[in-house]
Amino acid sequence: QVQLVQSGAEVKKPGASVKVSCKASGFSFTGYYMHWVRQAPGQGLEWLGWINPNSGGTNYAQKYQGWVTMTRDTSITTVYMELSRLRSDDTAVYYCARAKVTETTSVVFDYWGQGTLVTVSS
Amino acid sequence: QSVLTQPPSVSGAPGQRVTISCTGSSSNIGAGYDVHWYQQLPGTAPKLLIYGNTNGPSGVPARFSGSKSGTSASLAITGLQAEDEADYYCQSYDNSHWVFGGGTKLTVL
Repeated sequence: QVQLVQSGAEVKKPGASVKVSCKASGFSFTGYYMHWVRQAPGQGLEWLGWINPNSGGTNYAQKYQGWVTMTRDTSITTVYMELSRLRSDDTAVYYCARAKVTETTSVVFDYWGQGTLVTVSS
Repeated sequence: QSVLTQPPSVSGAPGQRVTISCTGSSSNIGAGYDVHWYQQLPGTAPKLLIYGNTNGPSGVPARFSGSKSGTSASLAITGLQAEDEADYYCQSYDNSHWVFGGGTKLTVL
């Protein structure tokens, strides 16, 4: 069955970087784009960007360009999201999600990781 | 401020029908992009509920249905049950970005 298992919670100081991993299993790793979404405490969902595990190509939300980096390691079917220059308002749960293309060529997030809480505090 | 607008909260008694609206604009829903819906139970990751405006993935009860018209979409839940109490999010596409609504908290009275 499809599984996305993320790394554990992190506590970071302002200005530091954090790297969250998402290990995929149960499907063809290179056959689906992977997206990252974050959710601040008590807030809604915010899209960060995607990575193509096949080519390594990426596309980031304009707000996060120069600030987020998404990579992958095909040998261990894992994608990563690294956020630099952390601020307190980056405190959030970060999710990876598998992107499925529907019959109408729309992209839907059909499987999600369990989420990784990143806390930024001095 | 979310690109897609949802009511912050809705409520209903068990067995009733509730609807959650998702209002967009001519650059997202009105441009013909599909709307998808997710259910997020407390403390868990979002789960796909409706895709492509009206389609329910395997395993999602038929009590959940979606519709779309113009620049808006709606999620309807009939025969409301206690376990439906959750946050619900709509999602679409806009200007090379994937966008979400702000979320709606459903309370079952």
